[in-house]
Amino acid sequence: GAGVSQSPSNKVTEKGKDVELRCDPISGHTALYWYRQSLGQGLEFLIYFQGNSAPDKSGLPSDRFSAERTGGSVSTLTIQRTQQEDSAVYLCASSHPPSRVYTYNEQFFGPGTRLTVL
Amino acid sequence: DQQVKQNSPSLSVQEGRISILNCDYTNSMFDYFLWYKKYPAEGPTFLISISSIKDKNEDGRFTVFLNKSAKHLSLHIVPSQPGDSAVYFCAASADSGAGSYQLTFGKGTKLSVIP
Repeated sequence: GAGVSQSPSNKVTEKGKDVELRCDPISGHTALYWYRQSLGQGLEFLIYFQGNSAPDKSGLPSDRFSAERTGGSVSTLTIQRTQQEDSAVYLCASSHPPSRVYTYNEQFFGPGTRLTVL
Repeated sequence: DQQVKQNSPSLSVQEGRISILNCDYTNSMFDYFLWYKKYPAEGPTFLISISSIKDKNEDGRFTVFLNKSAKHLSLHIVPSQPGDSAVYFCAASADSGAGSYQLTFGKGTKLSVIP
């Protein structure tokens, strides 16, 4: 597939459980972003990966949230001990890395994972 | 505090007329602005962008205007078509210092184009 893919598309879990959300970026895109959209809100930045550099975790709302990117490709966002306020659509985006040519790269978004915490 | 604001949650326009979507920002460090379009159950798709060194960028039926002194930008769609009905997000970018160019989004404006 040519686009960003995410799985699962929907996830319902019970409060206190851990969840893992997966993102497959576009091949060749070394920059990967996670955002979330809560009901009635805009997209909120969570974390950014660029190649082998240390990730920018400045948007993670608590230490219950973590993310990995293995091999510079697939990324997993993990939420531990989920709370009801974690219910949101989690979106992944990828782009070319910022550079002289691609200074501000268009970010391509996946369809998102809708997380519902009961 | 919200750094990117879209004060109109919804907008209805007749087919063939102009749609004007507005966006205000507060962070003077933002230097690149984008509009994304989102259909239900899909991720946002890039529509058009503008650098802070410009005041206008045009792409077919879509034009984005930037007024830096007012910290205001707008998206014009003319003529509007029923297929333009979607939620439109304004987004802004600045180098975070970690080189991430993360996007800060507004809450979106739902555009309905009436046939």
